[in-house]
Amino acid sequence: QLQLQESGPGLVKPSETLSLTCTVSGGAISGSSYHWGWMRQPPGRGLEWIGNIYYSGKTYYNASLKSRVTISVDTSKNQFSLKLNSVTAADTALYYCARMGTEFDYWGQGTLVTVPS
Amino acid sequence: QSVLTQPPSASGTPGQTVTISCSGSSSNIGSNYVHWYQQLPGTAPKLLIYRNNQRPSGVPDRFSGSKSGTSASLAISGLRSEDESDYYCASWDDSLSGHVVFGGGTKLTVL
Repeated sequence: QLQLQESGPGLVKPSETLSLTCTVSGGAISGSSYHWGWMRQPPGRGLEWIGNIYYSGKTYYNASLKSRVTISVDTSKNQFSLKLNSVTAADTALYYCARMGTEFDYWGQGTLVTVPS
Repeated sequence: QSVLTQPPSASGTPGQTVTISCSGSSSNIGSNYVHWYQQLPGTAPKLLIYRNNQRPSGVPDRFSGSKSGTSASLAISGLRSEDESDYYCASWDDSLSGHVVFGGGTKLTVL
């Protein structure tokens, strides 16, 4: 059974870089025709897609975040990562990682990241 | 403002059938699959319907999905109290080199 687990700091200062890692177990990131994606959900609000990385390394980003986002993959550790720079209080949210074929079928439990105002 | 449009709320009584709509455009729903996610309070989203009308293993057949043109619907029949949840539609969008779009979510209340 595939499992995904987000990890990273729960508190990030304004203007700094948010860095999260998603560790995948029960299956390999490399060599499979899947996207690996990041979503976020501000408190009390809906889901927002941040971006995906395809197994080949090709990335897709939300246009509204593209200038601040980098998603990368480390196949040796079976992990993929999210970096969001120049954060503000508006980036406070639950951050989820997930696997996507055509749909997001496996999700992590989410990790709360707070950026104080 | 979400690319896919859902009603913010829906409600029904136990046993009823409730339908939640999701409206998009030719670049997303009109040319790609629609998926539905259920998010129970305090939990991560869970895949409920994929590829317009397919149910993952373990999802009751009370849940069904359909798509027509640039719109899609999620129907829940035999409504139960445990169906009270947030529901999101999603699709791939071919514009801007490709990206995922979500609906704003519909909060379903079982009265």
